[in-house]
Amino acid sequence: AQSVTQPDIHITVSEGASLELRCNYSYGATPYLFWYVQSPGQGLQLLLKYFSGDTLVQGIKGFEAEFKRSQSSFNLRKPSVHWSDAAEYFCAVGAGLSGGGADGLTFGKGTHLIIQP
Amino acid sequence: SQTIHQWPATLVQPVGSPLSLECTVEGTSNPNLYWYRQAAGRGLQLLFYSIGIDQISSEVPQNLSASRPQDRQFILSSKKLLLSDSGFYLCAWTRDSVYEQYFGPGTRLTVT
Repeated sequence: AQSVTQPDIHITVSEGASLELRCNYSYGATPYLFWYVQSPGQGLQLLLKYFSGDTLVQGIKGFEAEFKRSQSSFNLRKPSVHWSDAAEYFCAVGAGLSGGGADGLTFGKGTHLIIQP
Repeated sequence: SQTIHQWPATLVQPVGSPLSLECTVEGTSNPNLYWYRQAAGRGLQLLFYSIGIDQISSEVPQNLSASRPQDRQFILSSKKLLLSDSGFYLCAWTRDSVYEQYFGPGTRLTVT
C-alpha cells in the first residue's frame, strides 16, 4: 500500500525567505504526486501535480516541486514566501485511474506553515 | 467550468442523532466522488468513494454510510452519531481520465 510522510509538522519562515516542505512517499510503481494547500476552515486547493516527464513541476502561486525517484521524494519549494502563504500543506500520492486508482489519494498528515513578519 | 458544493457548512448535532451531508458537482458528468474526514493532526482519511450511481466503496468500517442517488450527488449519512464522528468532512471529485481531485469547501461537524 502506498504511504506519504511529511516529516515536519510545523515550519516557521520569515516573509521573503525561501521555503522547502518535505514529502517522502512509498509506492511500488511510478506514483502520481500532488501538493495541496488548505487555509483554515477551507477545502483543499491543488497547487501542482506530477504524473510523468519533467521532474521539476511548476504550480500556482509561485510554487514548484521536484520529483526525485532515487530519494522517493517530492519536495515543495518557493523562492520567496508571502504572509498569505500561511496555511496547511498536504502531499498526496495516488495510483492513477489506469492502475485501478479510483480509490482515492493517500495524504500525508500535513505541514503547518507559519510566516513571521 | 466545474464547481463542487457541500452543505451545510457547519453542523452541531447531539450524540445519537442522525446525519445527512450533501455534496453536488456541477459542470461535469459521471465524476468519481469521494468523502474524506479530516481530524486535527491526522491528515485526511478516505471514507467512501463512488465511480457511478449506486456504486459505493467503503474504505473504513464505521458508523457512517454513503449513497449516490444521482450522477453528481453524493450523500454521507449516519443513523446515530458518535462523539468520534466530529471532524471536518470533505467531498472531492475527479474526472474519469484525469486524476487530480478537486475538493469542496467542507462541512465542520461537531457532535456534542
